[in-house]
Amino acid sequence: GAVVSQHPSRVICKSGTSVKIECRSLDFQATTMFWYRQFPKQSLMLMATSNEGSKATYEQGVEKDKFLINHASLTLSTLTVTSAHPEDSSFYICSAPQGEGPPYNEQFFGPGTRLTVL
Amino acid sequence: GENVEQHPSTLSVQEGDSAVIKCTYSDSASNYFPWYKQELGKRPQLIIDIRSNVGEKKDQRIAVTLNKTAKHFSLHITETQPEDSAVYFCAASTPLPTGRRALTFGSGTRLQVQP
Repeated sequence: GAVVSQHPSRVICKSGTSVKIECRSLDFQATTMFWYRQFPKQSLMLMATSNEGSKATYEQGVEKDKFLINHASLTLSTLTVTSAHPEDSSFYICSAPQGEGPPYNEQFFGPGTRLTVL
Repeated sequence: GENVEQHPSTLSVQEGDSAVIKCTYSDSASNYFPWYKQELGKRPQLIIDIRSNVGEKKDQRIAVTLNKTAKHFSLHITETQPEDSAVYFCAASTPLPTGRRALTFGSGTRLQVQP
C-alpha cells in the first residue's frame, strides 16, 4: 500500500511558540490530504482538508488562523500550530486518499505527531 | 454533516469468543465504510472495509456487514485472541462541499480479550 510519513513524531514546546508538522506521501501524489486531531481516549476528528493549489478548508470550530495549512507540493502538506497553548496538546494525524478521482476509497495515514505544549 | 455512532464503548470477552461492534451513520451519501484498529500512540490500521454496493465481506476471522437501508454496519471478530485487544474505530466516507471525501469516525470501542 501507499506510504505516508509525518515529521516530527513527537514534539514538546513552550506555550506561545509555533510548531510545524510535515506530512509527506512517499510513493504517490496527493492533491488532497486531511489533518485529524485525536485527544486522549477520544476519536479522530477531522480538522481540515489540505488542497494542493488552493486554500485549505477547515471544519467548523477549527481556527484557520491558528492552524495554518500549506499544501506545498503534490507530496507535502504542512500544519503549523501557531501560538500553541496547553489545550492544543494532542495527537495530530494526516492522511491521504488513494486515487484522485471520486469516489475516494482507502485513506493512508501518517504515523502521527504527539504534540505536548508546556 | 455525517454523524457516526459506535457501540459499545468498551467490550470485554474471553479468548475464543466472538466480538461484535456496531455503528450507525446518518448520511445516505456515504459509500465506503472502513474499520480501524488502533494501538496506543499509533496510527489507525485498516483491518477491513466495505463499499456501499456490498452487503458483507469476510477476511479470515474478521467480517463486516452493511445494511444500507437501516444505515448501519457491524464488525464481527470470531475466535478472539489476546492480541486483538485494542481500540477499534468504524468510519464512513462522506462527501465534503468541495467534492472531496473525508472520513467521519465513530467514538471507538475498547476491546479487551481476556486470556
